[in-house]
Amino acid sequence: KAGVTQTPRYLIKTRGQQVTLSCSPISGHRSVSWYQQTPGQGLQFLFEYFSETQRNKGNFPGRFSGRQFSNSRSEMNVSTLELGDSALYLCASRTEPAETQYFGPGTRLLVL
Amino acid sequence: ILNVEQSPQSLHVQEGDSTNFTCSFPSSNFYALHWYRWETAKSPEALFVMTLNGDEKKKGRISATLNTKEGYSYLYIKGSQPEDSATYLCAFSGTGNQFYFGTGTSLTVIP
Repeated sequence: KAGVTQTPRYLIKTRGQQVTLSCSPISGHRSVSWYQQTPGQGLQFLFEYFSETQRNKGNFPGRFSGRQFSNSRSEMNVSTLELGDSALYLCASRTEPAETQYFGPGTRLLVL
Repeated sequence: ILNVEQSPQSLHVQEGDSTNFTCSFPSSNFYALHWYRWETAKSPEALFVMTLNGDEKKKGRISATLNTKEGYSYLYIKGSQPEDSATYLCAFSGTGNQFYFGTGTSLTVIP
């Protein structure tokens, strides 16, 4: 089976712009979660989608949003980018709740 | 916000040494404890998932134990090799389906 894929892998944006990141889960996985990692921080949970519905949400401002499509692919959008949004964004997929998550390679976002 | 703590934050060991790290998590609403290995420039890779108090898992030279009553898990690496150099993450998943990750232990094995 193909693993979790994320596009793009690298992105440079300027403050105030918006960005959309994409994640394609492992075939058959209906849950997709998004995480942010910044230097010195652990993986911070953004949100989880399951069968096109947001099931859990982390403690991030409303500028961060996401969605999931009927084929389980997910997108994450960040509007009005700030310098502090520079980070590695990882998505992970799994089959059932609390089962092992499988991670994609991440998208590294740099906001200038 | 739920707190998952890992110690030590970083570790340097000589090749051949055995080592262990700790993950502490809340003992309430526990569903599973996960360990991941995260090598530089790669995706985090799942090592173990443990659900029962007293669980022990082993994969080659790496093993893990779980104590849900007191809220901790240990990861052991026997005879560390340079290829074991990575960040080791633990994650707590509770009955609410959400994962909470620790900040990781960075292991460097010196040849």
